[in-house]
Amino acid sequence: GAVVSQHPSRVICKSGTSVKIECRSLDFQATTMFWYRQFPKKSLMLMATSNEGSKATYEQGVEKDKFLINHASLTLSTLTVTSAHPEDSSFYICSAPNPGGLTDTQYFGPGTRLTVL
Amino acid sequence: GQQLNQSPQSMFIQEGEDVSMNCTSSSIFNTWLWYKQEPGEGPVLLIALYKAGELTSNGRLTAQFGITRKDSFLNISASIPSDVGIYFCAGKRTPSGTYKYIFGTGTRLKVLA
Repeated sequence: GAVVSQHPSRVICKSGTSVKIECRSLDFQATTMFWYRQFPKKSLMLMATSNEGSKATYEQGVEKDKFLINHASLTLSTLTVTSAHPEDSSFYICSAPNPGGLTDTQYFGPGTRLTVL
Repeated sequence: GQQLNQSPQSMFIQEGEDVSMNCTSSSIFNTWLWYKQEPGEGPVLLIALYKAGELTSNGRLTAQFGITRKDSFLNISASIPSDVGIYFCAGKRTPSGTYKYIFGTGTRLKVLA
């Protein structure tokens, strides 16, 4: 089946630095990818929709300048957490829609755990 | 952000028992999906539902798309220890020609051997 990868799987950074997370579709093209944030023992909260060739669509309450999204190619979307602070520590997960099988299925990446000290 | 309401929040069950969980919304969805997530990993799709009233099975799992299109349930029969995890429902919304998925609050399942 389709596979989505994320890199890095874990990252620890100092407050004030920026962190880039990559989401790749390994064997299919994805014009759309989704970025979610998940706090411990909580559900997935959609942050933004990444669109290849156009600007990302952000959910209400998500700071565009804080969470920069770039859909560089049909297989790569990146999320950059700028000037990270401890409250940005979380589990970030991306997903991409199924390329050709059943409608409406999504493949999720394995997630990236960000810890800001 | 918006979430769907799932119940129960968590449950402990004995191995071999059947499990039932549901997901409700105040809004209509055109698609319902059920996922399982294990610690430190991304969610894995279990079942997808596309029509109101649809009943779909995947092995020991059965899910139904509510007639009102505002709810869905997931049943797991004869639970086994590897069923442990967090189960999420998700509904598909299509605002302004785009689409996105809204996730439920999750049901944490623990199976006692």
